[in-house]
Amino acid sequence: KNQVEQSPQSLIILEGKNCTLQCNYTVSPFSNLRWYKQDTGRGPVSLTIMTFSENTKSNGRYTATLDADTKQSSLHITASQLSDSASYICVVSDYKLSFGAGTTVTVRA
Amino acid sequence: DVKVTQSSRYLVKRTGEKVFLECVQDMDHENMFWYRQDPGLGLRLIYFSYDVKMKEKGDIPEGYSVSREKKERFSLILESASTNQTSMYLCASSPDTGELFFGEGSRLTVL
Repeated sequence: KNQVEQSPQSLIILEGKNCTLQCNYTVSPFSNLRWYKQDTGRGPVSLTIMTFSENTKSNGRYTATLDADTKQSSLHITASQLSDSASYICVVSDYKLSFGAGTTVTVRA
Repeated sequence: DVKVTQSSRYLVKRTGEKVFLECVQDMDHENMFWYRQDPGLGLRLIYFSYDVKMKEKGDIPEGYSVSREKKERFSLILESASTNQTSMYLCASSPDTGELFFGEGSRLTVL
């Protein structure tokens, strides 16, 4: 069983709207959690990285939150743009990296 | 700017062929990785290397081998390609901070 579960698997939103992606993990002990953005046919690019002591980290219109007690993280996209259409991958680190399967976001005009 | 370059974006090979996937990074990173990515699955680690001529098996090394003769280059080899190796292959490098820098990916189709 994957130690990192992401939901939803995919979602469609209208341009300008907000959305939130979820990441639940069972990895323990926990070192850090990262969110990556992967455009279609490209390699993933880092958005945020958070240690267990951080609750929130922002990168422009992307805001990641972390609750280490419940082992949950979310990625919030504000005022979505067409360029936000991509797959978003949650990665949790202990002594190795565990990858979620990703959430595919489609932003429609 | 950080750069990880994978030599082939798209390849089509026949079953039984030998396949080389090349990856070069220009950041002087010690660590390099090969992953495969399949729909509905997270990235799965095939092999990694933390130094020249050093290699470690990842989670799914069967059917693959690697070579790291120079610090900047990490090659993935499929000795005898099979159809179940059709996938997207991603190379990454990282400094000791652990942040991964990925290449653009190589999409391999084995017929």
